Amino acid sequence: DGGITQSPKYLFRKEGQNVTLSCEQNLNHDAMYWYRQDPGQGLRLIYYSQIVNDFQKGDIAEGYSVSREKKESFPLTVTSAQKNPTAFYLCASSHQTGIAMQPQHFGDGTRLSIL
Amino acid sequence: DAKTTQPTSMDCAEGRAANLPCNHSTISGNEYVYWYRQIHSQGPQYIIHGLKNNETNEMASLIITEDRKSSTLILPHATLRDTAVYYCIVPHSSNTGKLIFGQGTTLQVKP
Repeated sequence: DGGITQSPKYLFRKEGQNVTLSCEQNLNHDAMYWYRQDPGQGLRLIYYSQIVNDFQKGDIAEGYSVSREKKESFPLTVTSAQKNPTAFYLCASSHQTGIAMQPQHFGDGTRLSIL
Repeated sequence: DAKTTQPTSMDCAEGRAANLPCNHSTISGNEYVYWYRQIHSQGPQYIIHGLKNNETNEMASLIITEDRKSSTLILPHATLRDTAVYYCIVPHSSNTGKLIFGQGTTLQVKP
């Protein structure tokens, strides 16, 4: 079945440690996104990529990094510079945006907690 | 992005139609209205979108007023599994894909 796979489902990070969250899609989508959701809040955009080997910062990119070496994959690294990383992280993908923005399809998320 | 206003919460009896309103009075002529929902601890799910005509798919119907300043998402026969937070989003037409999720409407479907 086509879809977006995020792994792991739960992740624990020690202070000062970098961790990488995986996001893979087999929908042949050009665009991919990373969002962060805090309890009781809406989603906030961290990074997005509209094409391979290109990505842009979203609203809260500080302390995060991404890469887009393959169309199917868009991993997110939460660095030690991110002082409040505990959150629910969601990856999404869509066909290339145009006049009518294409609907985004989301993964089931990764919950990151600090030990 | 056009600002959207939704009620904070709504209840609906199981089997009845759920009508979720959204105001987007600052919407521009070429901006679409999108609806997503998020069931607790899961990623958001795309439901439907439209420009000016009413739309229907297997999940829901979207009714957009003639002046496009408001819309209503209709779940024709709500089930307990429809309990979720529903988000109405109007991305800017030049938007690069960013979705702005506000607080949405928490729909509680009751037996």
